[in-house]
Amino acid sequence: EAQVTQNPRYLITVTGKKLTVTCSQNMNHEYMSWYRQDPGLGLRQIYYSMNVEVTDKGDVPEGYKVSRKEKRNFPLILESPSPNQTSLYFCASSLMANLYEQYFGPGTRLTVT
Amino acid sequence: TQLLEQSPQFLSIQEGENLTVYCNSSSVFSSLQWYRQEPGEGPVLLVTVVTGGEVKKLKRLTFQFGDARKDSSLHITAAQPGDTGLYLCAGASDSWGKLQFGAGTQVVVTP
Repeated sequence: EAQVTQNPRYLITVTGKKLTVTCSQNMNHEYMSWYRQDPGLGLRQIYYSMNVEVTDKGDVPEGYKVSRKEKRNFPLILESPSPNQTSLYFCASSLMANLYEQYFGPGTRLTVT
Repeated sequence: TQLLEQSPQFLSIQEGENLTVYCNSSSVFSSLQWYRQEPGEGPVLLVTVVTGGEVKKLKRLTFQFGDARKDSSLHITAAQPGDTGLYLCAGASDSWGKLQFGAGTQVVVTP
């Protein structure tokens, strides 16, 4: 089944404790992206990647890191999480030919206390 | 700054009624997408519009892209409870690879 998977789905952590949210897609998509969703603000793009070893900042990259060492994986790293990073996070992927027609993962609910 | 403004923010209607959701911007978009999101899930693509003035129909849903490619609308005819969800519009910004989302319109259709 074609899909985007994220792990974990739920995570509660404390300020400053490094964490990684994994994202994997099995559709051979070149493009992958991370978003956060907050009430009243919609989805905001954190980072995106056009292909392996190519990443670019979205609108809200501060406090996040990403890497794209393999085509299928695009982990999101929070080196020192803070409470304002409490949010619902989505990973998405697409073909470059249909860049903006994205397939989304199920989301990761992160709470930073 | 939200480049895409959606209205209304919330819409509650009875089954069988019609509804329209609007997505407006001062920017021109090369393409615009509509997604629907249900609780606990990621957004799912409904349609992409790329040409000014374009109208696309998906069963009871009609999507229109403004002539100037700055705005779009989603019209649902004879809404059903299964249409309940958060409707999001998204537009390609001037930076290749960056996608801007509206804040969404929560639609609730009651039997």
